[in-house]
Amino acid sequence: KQEVTQIPAALSVPEGENLVLNCSFTDSAIYNLQWFRQDPGKGLTSLLLIQSSQREQTSGRLNASLDKSSGRSTLYIAASQPGDSATYLCAVSPTSGSRLTFGEGTQLTVNP
Amino acid sequence: DAGVTQSPTHLIKTRGQHVTLRCSPISGHKSVSWYQQVLGQGPQFIFQYYEKEERGRGNFPDRFSARQFPNYSSELNVNALLLGDSALYLCASSVYRGGYGYTFGSGTRLTVV
Repeated sequence: KQEVTQIPAALSVPEGENLVLNCSFTDSAIYNLQWFRQDPGKGLTSLLLIQSSQREQTSGRLNASLDKSSGRSTLYIAASQPGDSATYLCAVSPTSGSRLTFGEGTQLTVNP
Repeated sequence: DAGVTQSPTHLIKTRGQHVTLRCSPISGHKSVSWYQQVLGQGPQFIFQYYEKEERGRGNFPDRFSARQFPNYSSELNVNALLLGDSALYLCASSVYRGGYGYTFGSGTRLTVV
């Protein structure tokens, strides 16, 4: 059974800092990994999708890396802003189009 | 293009009642999945439907059921509601094959009292 762990559970940083969120998964036989953002009480917004054959993906100030063999992914946020405050979730899919297994998320607070 | 739409956005039900939640996927997406998110936890997979057929079921009791219609919209039904069913119910749509990832709706907040 796939298990996904996210560390840390919560993180508070001053504005402008670069930060790294971690995601690990127990079964390396994944098809892809997706990072999401969730604002309080809201749905999920997709940030980055990494296929198992890829090493990283970038979108603006966000960079996600994937090391499938070691079961790890990191989400790097550059020059953090108060608007980045949210919960960040990672999820893996074992095959194309199949169910997602989520971590419990990292709650990020960026202080002005 | 409209994103994934879910209705209603909020509802309050009494223990023992029945509830129906609805989801319309992105145009062109033929797969719909349902997830339950309890406060403070990550979403848990409930069902996946593709071309009106169930393609996956999570570890939820038989009180939970779903279906997909010819226009690819979907309903999630929960019978005999329990207090523990209080959660945010999320719908996700996808192309199904090709590894393009999932797009989620804003969710339905269900409170059981």
